[in-house]
Amino acid sequence: EVQLLESGGGLVQPGGSLRLSCAASGFTFSSYAMSWVRQAPGKGLEWVSGVSSSGGSAYYTDSVKGRFTISRDNSKNTLYLQMNSLRAEDAAVYYCAIVESSAWYVGDWGQGTLVTVSS
Amino acid sequence: DIQMTQSPSSVSASVGDRVTITCRASPGISSWLAWYQQKPGKAPKLLISGATSLQSGVPSRFSGSGSGTDFTLTISSLQPEDFATYYCQQAKSFPLTFGGGTKVENK
Repeated sequence: EVQLLESGGGLVQPGGSLRLSCAASGFTFSSYAMSWVRQAPGKGLEWVSGVSSSGGSAYYTDSVKGRFTISRDNSKNTLYLQMNSLRAEDAAVYYCAIVESSAWYVGDWGQGTLVTVSS
Repeated sequence: DIQMTQSPSSVSASVGDRVTITCRASPGISSWLAWYQQKPGKAPKLLISGATSLQSGVPSRFSGSGSGTDFTLTISSLQPEDFATYYCQQAKSFPLTFGGGTKVENK
């Protein structure tokens, strides 16, 4: 059974940093690209970042470029999102998700971790 | 960036109704489109990829059509478990983008 367990969310002040982790199991982690998708309270879905299966290529939405860094450790079956210079508008539930092998569609999703940015 | 525009933002329907949701891409995305269903407090679920391909286990009352700029998700006979919010997403180019969502509510 595929499992994606996000952690690392919490309350952070504006300008602060957080590192999200996503522990993956039940599939060959190193064979799949991965993504982070977020959802602000009561709002729609926003794709944040993606990384290739090897970790060699990373992609970001414009609003997080230069502030967020996606990475993965295939030896630990873990996906990361380092978030720096956090803003109020970054507050959301952050989902870790597997990218389909056919194209950059989002297949299985984790349960999400809540990030709150407030002073 | 590719803009994805969904309509309507909400629709009121009854069990058994046919429901149609539209997604428009600007610029065009060929068939690089997915549809997701999200229920309150839950993660989204992938329903359709490649504009028309139903994911395994998704009921056949769901169907997708379209290519280029205009796409449609149709629920042929709405069931109680289908009341949810639906999103489209383009996979043509980065950054990936979602539509704003369509909430299917009980009339």
